[in-house]
Amino acid sequence: GEDVEQSLFLSVREGDSSVINCTYTDSSSTYLYWYKQEPGAGLQLLTYIFSNMDMKQDQRLTVLLNKKDKHLSLRIADTQTGDSAIYFCAESITGANNLFFGTGTRLTVIP
Amino acid sequence: SQTIHQWPATLVQPVGSPLSLECTVEGTSNPNLYWYRQAAGRGLQLLFYSVGIGQISSEVPQNLSASRPQDRQFILSSKKLLLSDSGFYLCAWSVLGQGAEAFFGQGTRLTVV
Repeated sequence: GEDVEQSLFLSVREGDSSVINCTYTDSSSTYLYWYKQEPGAGLQLLTYIFSNMDMKQDQRLTVLLNKKDKHLSLRIADTQTGDSAIYFCAESITGANNLFFGTGTRLTVIP
Repeated sequence: SQTIHQWPATLVQPVGSPLSLECTVEGTSNPNLYWYRQAAGRGLQLLFYSVGIGQISSEVPQNLSASRPQDRQFILSSKKLLLSDSGFYLCAWSVLGQGAEAFFGQGTRLTVV
């Protein structure tokens, strides 16, 4: 099946930038997503990018997509302690009814 | 606006007991409905999805089953829980044609003892 991979952990200092990476295998992806999960809660959509775009910026969030390398990243500028959470990347694929999720990256922001 | 309700939030059940988790969606019609399980370090595992009433697709063989008795109701069940069924269960919905964006419930923490 489709494979979406992320590193499990990332630690950054408050005020620094965080970069969370994701790789996927299916080239027929249509949209790629970043979800945020706070402790004990469901997932909230942070942002998404259409597969024919290279970059999308939304306030402190920047999504970069390298379709050739099948690599997606999420950059959080000026990381705050409230950004500590698990971040999931996900892709939707033409003809599939569901999203395919990565393992999630636990971001810890150190004050 | 659309909302999704999932309950209970936490549940502790003995091995061998039955399970019923319920999820309902409001504010949309004919959604795709999903049950995911989240295990530590393993991301989200799709368990079941449904594209309509009575239509259930199972992604992995297991001790669980799902039913969709109404358009906006999705139920996850088990006749006899195993210790390995412990985890965090998430219900989600999406509507095809809108980028397949999925909206999640708050999750149910199930502990089988």
